[in-house]
Amino acid sequence: QSVLTQPPSASGTPGQRVTISCSGSSSNIGSNYVYWYQQLPGTAPKLLIYGNNQRPSGVPDRFSGSKSGTSASLAISGLRSEDEADYYCAAWDDSLSGVLFGGGTKLTVL
Amino acid sequence: QVQLQESGPGLVKPSQTLSLTCTVSGGSISSGSYYWTWIRQPAGKGLEWIGRIYTSGSTKCNPSLKSRVTISVDTSKNHFSLTLSSVTAADTAVYYCARSPQTGCFDYWGQGTLVTVSS
Repeated sequence: QSVLTQPPSASGTPGQRVTISCSGSSSNIGSNYVYWYQQLPGTAPKLLIYGNNQRPSGVPDRFSGSKSGTSASLAISGLRSEDEADYYCAAWDDSLSGVLFGGGTKLTVL
Repeated sequence: QVQLQESGPGLVKPSQTLSLTCTVSGGSISSGSYYWTWIRQPAGKGLEWIGRIYTSGSTKCNPSLKSRVTISVDTSKNHFSLTLSSVTAADTAVYYCARSPQTGCFDYWGQGTLVTVSS
């Protein structure tokens, strides 16, 4: 059972903007960086956002991250069919002294 | 370009020990300041952080697995390893190794290896 809570599913049509939320607590999101990963079917996860809102080189600027208090969000604008994937948030948890992942959100492009 | 590759048995019997190795290429495992990490994912489920080893050799593991997990590094072979003892069917998963420049940040991943626990 994940301590970082994500909606199990999200959807949108091509060109739309969708957001995926990640809710935590003061011991994880509230005091540490949030990271986002994209996992395409049958592949390893890929780093999408680091340090709450930074994109690694090669990640389109359609992807953006934000954090406020004990919650974080991933926004995808100009939705494309190839964005259909599972998305995970992650953060260090000071109480656990380990990394927590959200349960994942399956994004469907209608 | 750093690459990671997991290797090890795909089938382990219940109560036995799971052993996996992650070989790093494209860079020395002992250069830079990185955590070398194991993560797993049961079929159809989410990601679970297993633990990490720092370049210096210090380790940290998920408390839920801590008593069964050992992570080690062999810099001469440029690889790090995971052992998980007393496995059950609940340990059946795809196991990934990854490089972590910051806690929670995994910038390079192996392709993953499926380990099934079954008699």
